[in-house]
Amino acid sequence: NAGVMQNPRHLVRRRGQEARLRCSPVKGHSHVYWYRQLPEEGLKFMVYLQKENIIDESGMPKERFSAEFPKEGPSILRIQQVVRGDSAAYFCASSPPGQGLYNEQFFGPGTRLTVL
Amino acid sequence: AQRVTQPEKLLSVFKGAPVELKCNYSYSGSPELFWYVQYSRQRLQLLLRHISRESIKGFTADLNKGETSFHLKKPFAQEEDSAMYYCALLISSGSARQLTFGSGTQLTVLP
Repeated sequence: NAGVMQNPRHLVRRRGQEARLRCSPVKGHSHVYWYRQLPEEGLKFMVYLQKENIIDESGMPKERFSAEFPKEGPSILRIQQVVRGDSAAYFCASSPPGQGLYNEQFFGPGTRLTVL
Repeated sequence: AQRVTQPEKLLSVFKGAPVELKCNYSYSGSPELFWYVQYSRQRLQLLLRHISRESIKGFTADLNKGETSFHLKKPFAQEEDSAMYYCALLISSGSARQLTFGSGTQLTVLP
């Protein structure tokens, strides 16, 4: 079990370009979460997805950011027209299906986005 | 709005000394709290959760609702405990299930 996989690990973009961050959850996990960590800060929740559904996107910026978790393939966090303030580490986590409220979230290694 | 505060960015102790990493929270609902740890060059991983009332690697944490605290303690620190520690609050309301993290405390255990 390789755990949560994220790629790329490092991504450099120029202002105005698009950034696509991928997350493959732990095998069998159907819940995916994205968090952002700015320098010197803790992780901030962005979005919670289940297969083909966005469950909670209360932490997502209103513009330029979108996320999906298709039936097949990894979850994608997409940032359009990146700006310098988007430079951060983006972490994905996954948890297994079920009704338990206290399911542990397993974290990936993160993608470090740098916007030039 | 919910908030998790870790007042110490950096904490250094000597090997064998007791260590306490502070965490305070603000939340109107019933809190569910966790400690996550990130060792150098490793991913974030769960250390312990208050509901389990467990001791992991010698660490314990007690939820004090009166003081809204969830401090992490270990009586005798080891060098391998050096890491970044994050306190986190689980918000599970309706369909929401998100973790709110503190800003973290970098623990260094000196030989």
